[in-house]
Amino acid sequence: QVQLQESGPGLVKPSETLSLTCSVSGGSISSYYWSWIRQPPGKGLEWIGYVYYSGTTNYNPSLKSRVTISLDTSKNHFSLKLSSVTAADTAVYYCARHGGGMTMVIGWGQGTLVTVSS
Amino acid sequence: QSALTQPASVSGSPGQSITISCTGTSSDVGSNQFVSWYQQHPGKAPKLMIYDVSNRPSGVSNRFSGSKSGNTASLTISGLQVEDEADYYCSSYVSNSVIFGGGTKVTVL
Repeated sequence: QVQLQESGPGLVKPSETLSLTCSVSGGSISSYYWSWIRQPPGKGLEWIGYVYYSGTTNYNPSLKSRVTISLDTSKNHFSLKLSSVTAADTAVYYCARHGGGMTMVIGWGQGTLVTVSS
Repeated sequence: QSALTQPASVSGSPGQSITISCTGTSSDVGSNQFVSWYQQHPGKAPKLMIYDVSNRPSGVSNRFSGSKSGNTASLTISGLQVEDEADYYCSSYVSNSVIFGGGTKVTVL
């Protein structure tokens, strides 16, 4: 069974870049679509963007100017970079695996809380 | 790309049926059959409950069912149980993007 695990700093200063990695175990990253999804405290889910194993990406238009998602097949992981963060970027960040192409999320990491604060 | 509209809360007594609506537009929910529903308990990651409007993944109780009419999708929980108390999110896939609803808190009275 494929498992996902997020890792990265839990505290980021305003205006800096948030960087997270999702390690994939129990299966190869060289298939499927992989996404980052976030959830501000007490609020709903927001899709950030996806990367396909080929390297193709697509991002939420509201975040597109600040987001980069990439993958490393040799390490079986994919990564998120979100630049120029503010307090509004404070959230639990989930990495996720899609099924049915990209039409559904069939697997989630446990989530990692990232707080933006000086 | 606006969030789909869900009621903030829905409640019911054990054994009853409840329905959660998810309203979008003809450009998202109304444009295809790619609506999914997720259940999220506090402090946990979401779990897929329904995909492609009305299909249940293996292991999901048949008390959960989905449907769609026009630009509105619905999730029905029959025979409500205490463990169904959670937040529920709908999602629409369109043009290589994913849109979530704002979420509905289900309370079992």
